[in-house]
Amino acid sequence: SQQGEEDPQALSIQEGENATMNCSYKTSINNLQWYRQNSGRGLVHLILIRSNEREKHSGRLRVTLDTSKKSSSLLITASRAADTASYFCATDEPGANNLFFGTGTRLTVIP
Amino acid sequence: EPEVTQTPSHQVTQMGQEVILRCVPISNHLYFYWYRQILGQKVEFLVSFYNNEISEKSEIFDDQFSVERPDGSNFTLKIRSTKLEDSAMYFCASSSQSYGYTFGSGTRLTVV
Repeated sequence: SQQGEEDPQALSIQEGENATMNCSYKTSINNLQWYRQNSGRGLVHLILIRSNEREKHSGRLRVTLDTSKKSSSLLITASRAADTASYFCATDEPGANNLFFGTGTRLTVIP
Repeated sequence: EPEVTQTPSHQVTQMGQEVILRCVPISNHLYFYWYRQILGQKVEFLVSFYNNEISEKSEIFDDQFSVERPDGSNFTLKIRSTKLEDSAMYFCASSSQSYGYTFGSGTRLTVV
């Protein structure tokens, strides 16, 4: 089964800088999703990229997917203090009706 | 925007007690899920539910756990005899197809 792994585990940047988080997975996927979680709170869906897509944008978010390398990246441009949260990738695997979450990257944006 | 609603937001229970976590999925969604997240760890799949039956479950979802959709709107997770290691955040999710999930804000279960 899938086990997403994100790196780095923790990232600390200054407000205004860009933040890049990476996710790797092990087997084929239908799609890959990124979620955000504020400390102790719920999961907020950010963006979904399908296996036949290579790049997707949503506001200040840019997601790439490289199925040959089984990896994805999430870029947050012009970061804000309010972006401070944990970010998780989650993969949807063919034949499995559930998501496999990665270990998460804890992003801290310093004002 | 439609939401998945979970109640209670926080539940404290004594070890060995039964707990029921409640969820109201989005009304036109057909797939329902429970996930859990032990503090500081990754989010783990528990069970998926479709067409009034379990469609998939993980190794975590043992005989202590059960799910029910009692009245066409609620979706519940029952833990029959709670253990300390059941302490976690439990998330309900629903989707209209096999992707495109909406998660609830979670129930924090503390077993003492």
